[in-house]
Amino acid sequence: GAVVSQHPSRVICKSGTSVKIECRSLDFQATTMFWYRQFPKKSLMLMATSNEGSKATYEQGVEKDKFLINHASLTLSTLTVTSAHPEDSSFYICSAATWRESTEQFFGPGTRLTVL
Amino acid sequence: RKEVEQDPGPFNVPEGATVAFNCTYSNSASQSFFWYRQDCRKEPKLLMSVYSSGNEDGRFTAQLNRASQYISLLIRDSKLSDSATYLCVVNGPGGYNKLIFGAGTRLAVHP
Repeated sequence: GAVVSQHPSRVICKSGTSVKIECRSLDFQATTMFWYRQFPKKSLMLMATSNEGSKATYEQGVEKDKFLINHASLTLSTLTVTSAHPEDSSFYICSAATWRESTEQFFGPGTRLTVL
Repeated sequence: RKEVEQDPGPFNVPEGATVAFNCTYSNSASQSFFWYRQDCRKEPKLLMSVYSSGNEDGRFTAQLNRASQYISLLIRDSKLSDSATYLCVVNGPGGYNKLIFGAGTRLAVHP
């Protein structure tokens, strides 16, 4: 099956710093990548949808200037959490899809962010 | 009303038991339905898609009732390895590729 990787798997940072998370599709070209956030015991919440070469579409309530998304190639999307604060601590998960064959999304292993 | 609602559980069952999970969704225009499995601190993994006629994959059976906007998952002959959180997922407004996740139902299978 399709493989999606995320890096780093875990990051601890100080309040006010920026953190970049990478999402890569390893064995397929992803026309669309999605970024989700999951707080403890809560559901995954879609933050934004990213198509290669175009601006990301953010969900209501997600600040685009705080969560910068870049999808420069068909195999790489990055999420940068700018000026992170403790309330940004969460599990960030990306998924990738190629709509040519199916509508299935393939999820990365997630990045656990802790902001002190 | 939440877009996808599930009983959070936990469901504590012995090995070999049959357990059923229910889910309701609010968007009548949803066309795609799934059950995902999520282990603790891991990413969700697709368990099965749910089709209108109902479908089965080994010990797992999924049913869809569009009129009631209701989805179910039945697990027969539970194994210890089935312990996980089961997420009900539907496609949301704005496109078939946008997924809306339920908060999940936790299953604990004990010896």
